[in-house]
Amino acid sequence: DAGVIQSPRHEVTEMGQEVTLRCKPISGHDYLFWYRQTMMRGLELLIYFNNNVPIDDSGMPEDRFSAKMPNASFSTLKIQPSEPRDSAVYFCASRTGTGSSPLHFGNGTRLTVT
Amino acid sequence: GENVEQHPSTLSVQEGDSAVIKCTYSDSASNYFPWYKQELGKRPQLIIDIRSNVGEKKDQRIAVTLNKTAKHFSLHITETQPEDSAVYFCAATPGYQKVTFGTGTKLQVIP
Repeated sequence: DAGVIQSPRHEVTEMGQEVTLRCKPISGHDYLFWYRQTMMRGLELLIYFNNNVPIDDSGMPEDRFSAKMPNASFSTLKIQPSEPRDSAVYFCASRTGTGSSPLHFGNGTRLTVT
Repeated sequence: GENVEQHPSTLSVQEGDSAVIKCTYSDSASNYFPWYKQELGKRPQLIIDIRSNVGEKKDQRIAVTLNKTAKHFSLHITETQPEDSAVYFCAATPGYQKVTFGTGTKLQVIP
């Protein structure tokens, strides 16, 4: 089991550019979560999917953020246009749907917007 | 929605002493409470969890207690070691769905 795979590990971009973060969950996991981590706000839940369907996107900061899960093995988080305040570490996590199963996190993408 | 509060935000202890981190939650539907450890520059990793039908769980030097009536749960680390230094997050999961994290506790174990 390779675990949750995120790419890229680091992304540096200029303000106004489009950024796409990618995630491959663990095979067989029914839930996929996107979190953003900053010193000021901790681990914020942005959106989560169940069986590829978005269930709760109330944490998505604004319309500049969008997330998709076209199939069970792939999800993207897109920011367009990016702003310096979007700089953070973005984690993807997945888990099974059976009872109380823990989250498995990817290694995260460190985004820097200049 | 669920709101999880965590205290203290920072904690320094001498090696060998115990450390206690406390969390409260708001949603009575929460029934699963995991704890994660995050070392600097790394991803959060599960260290222990507890379900709502259990009051206490222990795993070697780590224990978690849950008081459903008061809606609070705690992490206890005994005989702390330098490698315990990290940020610890509690979380609550209403209906085994959405996972909401506390704000984190930075634990420093002083040799």
